[in-house]
Amino acid sequence: RKEVEQDPGPFNVPEGATVAFNCTYSNSASQSFFWYRQDCRKEPKLLMSVYSSGNEDGRFTAQLNRASQYISLLIRDSKLSDSATYLCVGSFGGGSNYKLTFGKGTLLTVNP
Amino acid sequence: NAGVTQTPKFRVLKTGQSMTLLCAQDMNHEYMYWYRQDPGMGLRLIHYSVGEGTTAKGEVPDGYNVSRLKKQNFLLGLESAAPSQTSVYFCASSSQGGTGELFFGEGSRLTVL
Repeated sequence: RKEVEQDPGPFNVPEGATVAFNCTYSNSASQSFFWYRQDCRKEPKLLMSVYSSGNEDGRFTAQLNRASQYISLLIRDSKLSDSATYLCVGSFGGGSNYKLTFGKGTLLTVNP
Repeated sequence: NAGVTQTPKFRVLKTGQSMTLLCAQDMNHEYMYWYRQDPGMGLRLIHYSVGEGTTAKGEVPDGYNVSRLKKQNFLLGLESAAPSQTSVYFCASSSQGGTGELFFGEGSRLTVL
């Protein structure tokens, strides 16, 4: 079982919609979580880190539920420019051997 | 601002040929990584380095070798390319091991015939 599992998608939503992605992780000792965004044929870029208390950045809200071992990303008022693949990322390991493990990604298409 | 630079960006190889992908970063990062990305598989870690002169295996290391002779460079080598190594390769660097942001290069698209 992969350490990080994501909703496979794809998600097709109209502009202005609210969309949520979930991601589950299997290693309860994982330390940190992130959401990355990857545009078509481009490199991934950090969207936001995910904190236990939850965090918000404009239209984006990320939450972590350690008891159920999942993280979520909520996008409100979707824009055409939000169309991309969203990657859930968890860090595993310890000491100098931390590694980031990526989920397979969820494709979002926002339609006019 | 260069950030992370990968060369070459595209390459076509024949089975059995060898090649080296070069990754260079100008952010003085300790940690560097090589990932491959395949359709339906997501990003998978090949090898990584926690500092100059160190390397370690990731999730899918077979068929690849790496070297980190200088802090700013991380080389990925394919000694005898196979069609299964057709992929998009991403190099990344970070200042912290598991809690810091990864900065990626633009990717190198490799096709092995």
